[in-house]
Amino acid sequence: ETGVTQSPTHLIKTRGQQVTLRCSSQSGHNTVSWYQQALGQGPQFIFQYYREEENGRGNFPPRFSGLQFPNYSSELNVNALELDDSALYLCASSLSGGASQATQYFGPGTRLLVL
Amino acid sequence: KNQVEQSPQSLIILEGKNCTLQCNYTVSPFSNLRWYKQDTGRGPVSLTIMTFSENTKSNGRYTATLDADTKQSSLHITASQLSDSASYICVVIRLGGGATNKLIFGTGTLLAVQP
Repeated sequence: ETGVTQSPTHLIKTRGQQVTLRCSSQSGHNTVSWYQQALGQGPQFIFQYYREEENGRGNFPPRFSGLQFPNYSSELNVNALELDDSALYLCASSLSGGASQATQYFGPGTRLLVL
Repeated sequence: KNQVEQSPQSLIILEGKNCTLQCNYTVSPFSNLRWYKQDTGRGPVSLTIMTFSENTKSNGRYTATLDADTKQSSLHITASQLSDSASYICVVIRLGGGATNKLIFGTGTLLAVQP
């Protein structure tokens, strides 16, 4: 167990709907990164939050947005869901945003299915 | 282009046998390389972290090697167990810069250990 928790574990939505995924980082970690992992693929970086500010963003459209709270927990929001958004969404926490030596600890993921 | 390629894509071995997974990368500048184990539908769990100057590192039955000159790494699993069945992901971390494109993920090797 890494101490990173995510909710919900599974979710089914329909096209056009909106979804909010949640992540609680490991105690003491101030950085949260979100990844999208399609079946059979490696994780793709969505964005990272460091001390409540966005600290980098991957190649995802603006309908993917996020928040980080003062307790360093985080949310990933996806608007206007598309079928291709079906994936495992991983949250990873670490200490010190962007630091090369910072180990990221992954949560168990949220499996999103868009019908 | 920063890329991480893994081989084989999938592997089936009998319980008790050894196996070796390969990772080739073209990531620059290089900071460190990590092997993760990901059980189906779960988040990745770190197995080993290797910096430029390290050639080998062990974690129980897992031994990782790194050749920074040829930009190759391997993960050797000794005396495999049924619980080793998972996807093994090679991740190369870039030095410096921001959070975007910091972690370069391979697509993983899916290992199945059969009794």
